[in-house]
Amino acid sequence: DIQMTQSPASLSASLGETVTIECRASEDIYSNLAWYQQKPGNSPQLLIYDANSLADGVPSRFSGSGSGTQYSLKINSLQSEDVASYFCQQYNNYPPTFGSGTKLEIK
Amino acid sequence: QVSLKESGPGILQPFQTLSLTCSFSGFSLGTSNMGVGWIRQTSGKGLEYLATIWWDDDKYFNPSLNSRLTVSKDTSNNQAFLKITSVDTADTGTYYCTQSQLGAQDYWGQGVMVTVSS
Repeated sequence: DIQMTQSPASLSASLGETVTIECRASEDIYSNLAWYQQKPGNSPQLLIYDANSLADGVPSRFSGSGSGTQYSLKINSLQSEDVASYFCQQYNNYPPTFGSGTKLEIK
Repeated sequence: QVSLKESGPGILQPFQTLSLTCSFSGFSLGTSNMGVGWIRQTSGKGLEYLATIWWDDDKYFNPSLNSRLTVSKDTSNNQAFLKITSVDTADTGTYYCTQSQLGAQDYWGQGVMVTVSS
């Protein structure tokens, strides 16, 4: 299975700041990567697919980038509603595998 | 508008079989390239992919649980099903069904909590 190493495990930032979450795959996943947001008490929701495509209804302050084995999720102008856990997932190889998550809090 | 909802027993004992139902709307499992996936979230392993059933009845299972999993569908009634045999405490967690078309899990259900306890 492809291992997804996500960092940091937790993150505290101020409103209006820009934050970046990283995900590294154990082998090339050819941009077959998604990012999900899971707000407290809720199910995960798709934010980004194919490494850099914004899912329907997702605010443009979210963006994804990367290639090969290195990927990142950037949140510009942090809002209070962005408090959540964020997960990456590769779907280049079966079984799809997830990162361990990043818990984002407001400072 | 896509919506999915899982249902299941809530609590079961070790060695029993877990049966979950995913009832969905806003799409059809008869549509080409459409799939319903099953993902669980446990304290031990985080988010873990379990299986997908596709519009053409093709199925994929996570090899780590392959022998214990069964997936099926009722296209006419917009439902998909997951069975896990011989459960133990490590199977305790929240189970989600998802819609999948191009690889990512596009939409998720609200999840159903399953506890395995004697």
